[in-house]
Amino acid sequence: GNSVTQMEGPVTLSEEAFLTINCTYTATGYPSLFWYVQYPGEGLQLLLKATKADDKGSNKGFEATYRKETTSFHLEKGSVQVSDSAVYFCALSEAGGSYIPTFGRGTSLIVHP
Amino acid sequence: KAGVTQTPRYLIKTRGQQVTLSCSPISGHRSVSWYQQTPGQGLQFLFEYFSETQRNKGNFPGRFSGRQFSNSRSEMNVSTLELGDSALYLCASSLRPGQQLNTGELFFGEGSRLTVL
Repeated sequence: GNSVTQMEGPVTLSEEAFLTINCTYTATGYPSLFWYVQYPGEGLQLLLKATKADDKGSNKGFEATYRKETTSFHLEKGSVQVSDSAVYFCALSEAGGSYIPTFGRGTSLIVHP
Repeated sequence: KAGVTQTPRYLIKTRGQQVTLSCSPISGHRSVSWYQQTPGQGLQFLFEYFSETQRNKGNFPGRFSGRQFSNSRSEMNVSTLELGDSALYLCASSLRPGQQLNTGELFFGEGSRLTVL
């Protein structure tokens, strides 16, 4: 079956530091890949997505590249802000099936001033 | 356009009671899915509805049930509440399966936080 593995958190950084959150996946077909973000007290919202190999998703300064050869979709940001403190979820969804996404466990990011 | 709306946002129940949560999807979205989020288990899939039919179900006991109405609004019900049912329940809507441009992206509501005492 499909699975998503994320690095354990929490990740604690100082403001303006570089962020990487690792995500690797296992899928039987050709999935779409997503990063969702959950701010405190809120539901999940889509941060970025990529639908095929070598696609780069980007939003709000965050980027992730769909790497089929390494089955990875690592999230990066060059300079984090305190407002980026949240829980980040990596997920995949396969077309042609039920479309039910498979989520990782989530990685908590804490950014200090 | 309006996002996914969940009600109530917060509720407190006691063991043995039942609870009903409501979800209104984004206009035009006909698929609605439900998730349970807890600190220990993360995000767990409960069920998915499309055209008033349950299409997929996660690994939860029969105390957890749901339904979808003709206007795509959905409700989930938990009967005989247990302490372990305390969680954030998230509803998400999406384009119908197989619909063009459907990449599997979900649009989440803010959730209903249930506390069982």
